[in-house]
Amino acid sequence: EVQLVESGGGLVQPGGSLRLSCAASGFSFSSYAMSWVRQAPGKGLEWVSSISDNGGGTYYADSVKGRFTISRDNSKNTLYLQMNSLRAEDTAVFYCAKATTASCYAASQYWGQGTLVTVSS
Amino acid sequence: DIAMTQSPDSLAVSLGERATINCKSSQSVLHSSNSKNYLVWYQQKPGQPPKLLIYWASTRESGVPDRFSGSGSGTDFTLTISSLQAEDVAVYYCQQHYSSPFTFGPGTKVDIK
Repeated sequence: EVQLVESGGGLVQPGGSLRLSCAASGFSFSSYAMSWVRQAPGKGLEWVSSISDNGGGTYYADSVKGRFTISRDNSKNTLYLQMNSLRAEDTAVFYCAKATTASCYAASQYWGQGTLVTVSS
Repeated sequence: DIAMTQSPDSLAVSLGERATINCKSSQSVLHSSNSKNYLVWYQQKPGQPPKLLIYWASTRESGVPDRFSGSGSGTDFTLTISSLQAEDVAVYYCQQHYSSPFTFGPGTKVDIK
């Protein structure tokens, strides 16, 4: 069974940093692209970033480019999102998602339950 | 960037009736190399993560009831629930994965009338 468990969320002050993790199990992690998608309270889904199976390809939304960095450790079956220079508008539930293929140009087939990031002073 | 729009914003349908949701992309998401539309539909129920319903615009994900169907090509797409059930109350999103940023539509809320 595919499982994706996000962690690392919490309350952070504007300008601060957080690193989110997503522990994956139940599938061959190194064979699939992964993504982060966020959802602000009461709002719709916003794609944040994607990374290919081997980490060679990464993509970012304009809203986070230069502030967020996606990475993965295939030896640990873990996806990361390093978030710097956080703003109030980054407050959201962050979901990690497994793609259907190794390419980032694929649907997100499985999703974790999400981790809440709150940026506030 | 490809902008995604959905209509209507919300709809209420009687149990057993048809629900139709439209999604439009600002550019074609039909890839010429494989003739596939890079368009997916997700269902999100309150307090839950999204669930993949339809990929390649019209292919139903394994385990998804056959009352859900997707159609369309290029820039115009439709998700149809042929006979609405109580458990279908949710917000439905389309997303294009043709080009980065992989944008979502704003969502359509489906309720029971």
